[in-house]
Amino acid sequence: SYDVTQPPSVSVSPGQTAIITCSADRLGDKYASWYQQKPGQSPVLVIYEDTKRPSGIPERLSGSNSGHTATLTISGTQAMDEADYYCLVWDSITAAVFGGGTKLTVL
Amino acid sequence: EVQVVESGGGLVQPGGSLRLSCAASGFTFASYSMNWVRQAPGKGLEWVSYISSSGNTKQYADSVKGRFTMSRDNAKNSLDLQMNSLRDEDTAVYFCVRDSGTSRYFDYWGQGTLVTVSS
Repeated sequence: SYDVTQPPSVSVSPGQTAIITCSADRLGDKYASWYQQKPGQSPVLVIYEDTKRPSGIPERLSGSNSGHTATLTISGTQAMDEADYYCLVWDSITAAVFGGGTKLTVL
Repeated sequence: EVQVVESGGGLVQPGGSLRLSCAASGFTFASYSMNWVRQAPGKGLEWVSYISSSGNTKQYADSVKGRFTMSRDNAKNSLDLQMNSLRDEDTAVYFCVRDSGTSRYFDYWGQGTLVTVSS
């Protein structure tokens, strides 16, 4: 199986930068996408093709992917950014694999 | 406006069967691959299955392979997930999700339908 690892939780103070990582073997050779899920809601796509933002997603959310790690960066974190975040990677054998999810807490 | 709406969830006994449906609108359904993703209570997202735009290619997670079957009717803009031999661990909210295509990201999600497997 293809394992995709995220930290279970990340905490950040309002206005600071939150960094959420997603690690997997040769992840930089694949595309990663990121999803935000707030309690009781469906996930929302926030980053696709490693770095691109869908329409309506704030510029303070950005992504990168290199080597074995994809990263979601939230600059100037706001209370509204508090949510669970999941990365998604497609593997040629396993098909789609989600990371375990990271709970972002804005203290 | 793109919409995908799931239906068919409910309570079923272990070993039983259930059929989920997804109605799509606001886009050319026949041009897009689709997926089912589930989320057990309090847990993370788990990809379940994929079907190509034509329906000719299907993929399943190991956890459901041989028990779940995904199908689509492009004339009716609809998607189905037939779930057989259900287990307690299949209890989850099931989301119908549009696949972007080549880059394989999920751009539109339904609101989900809850499946509870319990005696």
